[in-house]
Amino acid sequence: DAGITQSPRHKVTETGTPVTLRCHQTENHRYMYWYRQDPGHGLRLIHYSYGVKDTDKGEVSDGYSVSRSKTEDFLLTLESATSSQTSVYFCAISGRGSIDTQYFGPGTRLTVL
Amino acid sequence: AQTVTQSQPEMSVQEAETVTLSCTYDTSESDYYLFWYKQPPSRQMILVIRQEAYKQQNATENRFSVNFQKAAKSFSLKISDSQLGDAAMYFCAFGDAGRGGSEKLVFGKGTKLTVNP
Repeated sequence: DAGITQSPRHKVTETGTPVTLRCHQTENHRYMYWYRQDPGHGLRLIHYSYGVKDTDKGEVSDGYSVSRSKTEDFLLTLESATSSQTSVYFCAISGRGSIDTQYFGPGTRLTVL
Repeated sequence: AQTVTQSQPEMSVQEAETVTLSCTYDTSESDYYLFWYKQPPSRQMILVIRQEAYKQQNATENRFSVNFQKAAKSFSLKISDSQLGDAAMYFCAFGDAGRGGSEKLVFGKGTKLTVNP
């Protein structure tokens, strides 16, 4: 199994509070991705990174920011959490981007009350 | 922009029988990769199979095989001798490999497969 972990695994927070989710990999892969999964929508890309300090937006980036200061860590921040951001969040890693297998973390279930 | 469509939100199959999950995609690119991912109730996403568009031969992995029809932009997944452990959400995904192409995968919305004993 690819070495990829997410923390926390579960979180309950209140509307308006900032939240940071962490993705950590031990595979030295160049690409890292954050997705959210909601019923009826499948997986939707929030942000991704193609190297240290290199990030780009996905299709549902509003209300989210990311940072990658080290190869192994990719942080997702909800600047001011809203109930619409209640979801399951997945991190994924890949060696060569869109032509390569993506390896997924176990997911973080976030509930915003 | 590429799109991926899985037209069957839910499917069911009897144990030991064969089932085919459909996936179509839209692209103007000629160089790309296609993927099927499985997400069991544990939520862990795992790769089932990967196909390069330039390869004529359909990919296979044990009981899993694909029917890749490039002209029709179709990439269906066939599961033979279905087992209870095959029950999961299945996602089809597209990756553009062309020069200047996206570094992202585009996922379909998924098909929930139920395996009946």
